[in-house]
Amino acid sequence: TQLLEQSPQFLSIQEGENLTVYCNSSSVFSSLQWYRQEPGEGPVLLVTVVTGGEVKKLKRLTFQFGDARKDSSLHITAAQPGDTGLYLCAGEDNYGQNFVFGPGTRLSVLP
Amino acid sequence: DTGVSQDPRHKITKRGQNVTFRCDPISEHNRLYWYRQTLGQGPEFLTYFQNEAQLEKSRLLSDRFSAERPKGSFSTLEIQRTEQGDSAMYLCASSLATSDGELFFGEGSRLTVL
Repeated sequence: TQLLEQSPQFLSIQEGENLTVYCNSSSVFSSLQWYRQEPGEGPVLLVTVVTGGEVKKLKRLTFQFGDARKDSSLHITAAQPGDTGLYLCAGEDNYGQNFVFGPGTRLSVLP
Repeated sequence: DTGVSQDPRHKITKRGQNVTFRCDPISEHNRLYWYRQTLGQGPEFLTYFQNEAQLEKSRLLSDRFSAERPKGSFSTLEIQRTEQGDSAMYLCASSLATSDGELFFGEGSRLTVL
């Protein structure tokens, strides 16, 4: 069974600060996705990373896929209250059929 | 609205009753997933369909749970003889098998078992 761990579990910061959250596994994934979920809603895709070592930027968000495709990080620059939410990573299994989610990092950005 | 829709949004039931949730995926999507999410946790995979075929079921899914997608369009998830531990948000997602695998989620059906 492929499992994903995320850290930290909770993070509370002030507006304008930078932060990094992590997604780790002992398994190799063919691709990894990051989602953000707000209360009462389903998760919404932020990015998909496929190649080991890949870096993708989405405005103030920078995503990196580990060289061995077992881990990933999400860095947010100058966090804003609108970034508040549950950040989930999801790995696509090597058969390309199922997605396993991590437990999430709950981020709170205080104004 | 052409997104994934789920019904009902909220369901309160007594222990031992049966409940059924419906999911209408994005129309051209051939894959449909069911996940369960409890407070403070990530979504937990239950089962998924490609067209009308149920291709995988989680080992965590007890015999009380059954899902169907009879015509490869909408899907239903039924829970029989509900237990308090079934209380959770049930999320449906759809995707295109040929895409980069992006899952489009509905807003979920929240089940409370008293």
